[in-house]
Amino acid sequence: EIVLTQSPGTLSLSPGERATLSCRASQSVSDNFLAWYQQKPGQVPRLLIYGASSRATGIPDRFSGSGSGTDFTLTISRLEPEDFAVYYCQQYDTSPRALTFGGGTKVEIK
Amino acid sequence: QLQLQESGPGLVKPSETLSLTCTVSGGSIRSSTNYWGWIRQPPGKGLEWIGTIFYTGTTFYNPSLKTRVTISVDTSKNQFSLKLNSVTAADTSVYYCATLDYFDYYMDVWGKGTTVTVSS
Repeated sequence: EIVLTQSPGTLSLSPGERATLSCRASQSVSDNFLAWYQQKPGQVPRLLIYGASSRATGIPDRFSGSGSGTDFTLTISRLEPEDFAVYYCQQYDTSPRALTFGGGTKVEIK
Repeated sequence: QLQLQESGPGLVKPSETLSLTCTVSGGSIRSSTNYWGWIRQPPGKGLEWIGTIFYTGTTFYNPSLKTRVTISVDTSKNQFSLKLNSVTAADTSVYYCATLDYFDYYMDVWGKGTTVTVSS
């Protein structure tokens, strides 16, 4: 089973700053089956990025994903007030077939 | 536009079976480009994938839950369901259903979630 480790656990930043979130896999992620989600308190997770670097429909271009193999990054170029939330990465493994989520990174207002 | 809605009891007794249904609207569960899945989130904690099904009935489950989970599909009702047996307090969570892209395995449409509490 592939384990995803997200770091840091909490990121304290100010609006306008750049956020860099890391997601590290215990084994190589097949075909870049890596997605990122945003979740605000009391809300449903929202898909941001899939295929490691493709933005989902309607996601602003300040969100970008990169990486391959075992190391992936979500970057928010300039934080807007609505971006303060928890972010999760998720991967799909082909053998055995399984999905896993990382533990999450909370981006909070400094 | 595809929408998903979870339904089922909000309270389950320990050792009993948790049963939830997800109703799909705005699209067909017989889609060849979607899987259907269940995810849960304990209070104050992160997301945990439970399992996934294709409309043909093909399933794959979280290994840590596999012995207790059954996911099934009813194409006539455009629904899929979750059964989790022998529940304990640790199964108290918000349970979400979601659709997964068939090719890239990301979840792009989620239900609003339903809270299930395990307590006597």
